[in-house]
Amino acid sequence: DTGVSQDPRHKITKRGQNVTFRCDPISEHNRLYWYRQTLGQGPEFLTYFQNEAQLEKSRLLSDRFSAERPKGSFSTLEIQRTEQGDSAMYLCASSLVAGHFYNEQFFGPGTRLTVL
Amino acid sequence: GENVEQHPSTLSVQEGDSAVIKCTYSDSASNYFPWYKQELGKGPQLIIDIRSNVGEKKDQRIAVTLNKTAKHFSLHITETQPEDSAVYFCAPNTGTASKLTFGTGTRLQVTL
Repeated sequence: DTGVSQDPRHKITKRGQNVTFRCDPISEHNRLYWYRQTLGQGPEFLTYFQNEAQLEKSRLLSDRFSAERPKGSFSTLEIQRTEQGDSAMYLCASSLVAGHFYNEQFFGPGTRLTVL
Repeated sequence: GENVEQHPSTLSVQEGDSAVIKCTYSDSASNYFPWYKQELGKGPQLIIDIRSNVGEKKDQRIAVTLNKTAKHFSLHITETQPEDSAVYFCAPNTGTASKLTFGTGTRLQVTL
């Protein structure tokens, strides 16, 4: 499978616990993005990496959230001290930006987080 | 930032009919116009896109038309099938943008 993959697909946790999600982008894609989607809404941007550098973070990304892409390949998104408001679908996307002008982003299946 | 609206928010058509979804945006610098399809429990799937130097693009039963002057673009689906039932999102942006700003979404239901 050459698409974007995410793990786990579903996560149920209790309030106050830490959770970590993983995303494997399409190989050779240099950009990786994290979005959050709540029920009935479109995805909202959280952060993105170009190679291993985290270049932009949304105001939605509170200090309880941290993302890494240590070797410019897979990425992890960690949420510390989860709150019920963190319940959402967390989507990962990747794209290849190499001098051309247009940014086609390809999404993974998402990780659905439920905080009890 | 970009203000993006989609109309209608829900659309029900009979199998075989056509469906049209319109996306209106505010940023005149936008030059890349993708449409995504999202089925229940899945991530958004890029189904068609258009760039600002083109007015229309077609791929089998789906097409996108762009009116840059009026700042809107539309998704056209002909000969709809039950598997077209999904939520559709537009995400106009500048080609160099880092993030996509998604529209409000349109739920399409194709009935038999």
